[in-house]
Amino acid sequence: AQKITQTQPGMFVQEKEAVTLDCTYDTSDQSYGLFWYKQPSSGEMIFLIYQGSYDEQNATEGRYSLNFQKARKSANLVISASQLGDSAMYFCAMREGGSLVNTGTASKLTFGTGTRLQVTL
Amino acid sequence: EAQVTQNPRYLITVTGKKLTVTCSQNMNHEYMSWYRQDPGLGLRQIYYSMNVEVTDKGDVPEGYKVSRKEKRNFPLILESPSPNQTSLYFCASSLSAGGLGYEQYFGPGTRLTVT
Repeated sequence: AQKITQTQPGMFVQEKEAVTLDCTYDTSDQSYGLFWYKQPSSGEMIFLIYQGSYDEQNATEGRYSLNFQKARKSANLVISASQLGDSAMYFCAMREGGSLVNTGTASKLTFGTGTRLQVTL
Repeated sequence: EAQVTQNPRYLITVTGKKLTVTCSQNMNHEYMSWYRQDPGLGLRQIYYSMNVEVTDKGDVPEGYKVSRKEKRNFPLILESPSPNQTSLYFCASSLSAGGLGYEQYFGPGTRLTVT
């Protein structure tokens, strides 16, 4: 089973509208972290937002918020007031708590396949 | 400026010709990792290092080697590149191997084409 699933290969949103990018995850660990990264056409990976499995409140960073529903194992990214510069590939990623013995494996980020967002006028 | 640098940024080579992609970070991070990105597959981990002289395999290590002789450097070596190693490669670093919330900082990427 995929550990991170992003079911939307592509999304369109009009400028100034809000958009939700879906991400579901699969883990048996109680302790894990969820990340969203943005990859513009220039190729670099830009960290957007982080949510820990024990965080009770949804993470927010400026126009980005993470809709964390633990029971459903979903961690959707919400971008409010979309801008043309938001057009990019977006990746959801997870770091599992793993074993205290093998923290190297626990540090691995497992990525989804990404969602390409296009913001239109 | 805190950053992860990779060189070269673009490389076209032929099958079997050994190459090295360098990675360096200036943040005194313990943890470093290499990923490859392929269309429809996201990023997959190749190798990682928890500290100097400590390296281990990720999900797709075949055909790659790494070394970590200094804390700041983590080169990726392709001893005999093949066309299926054509990909976009990212080096990343993180403050520590422990701590779920430690963000991984990514280098700018190296686009490799093997003909």
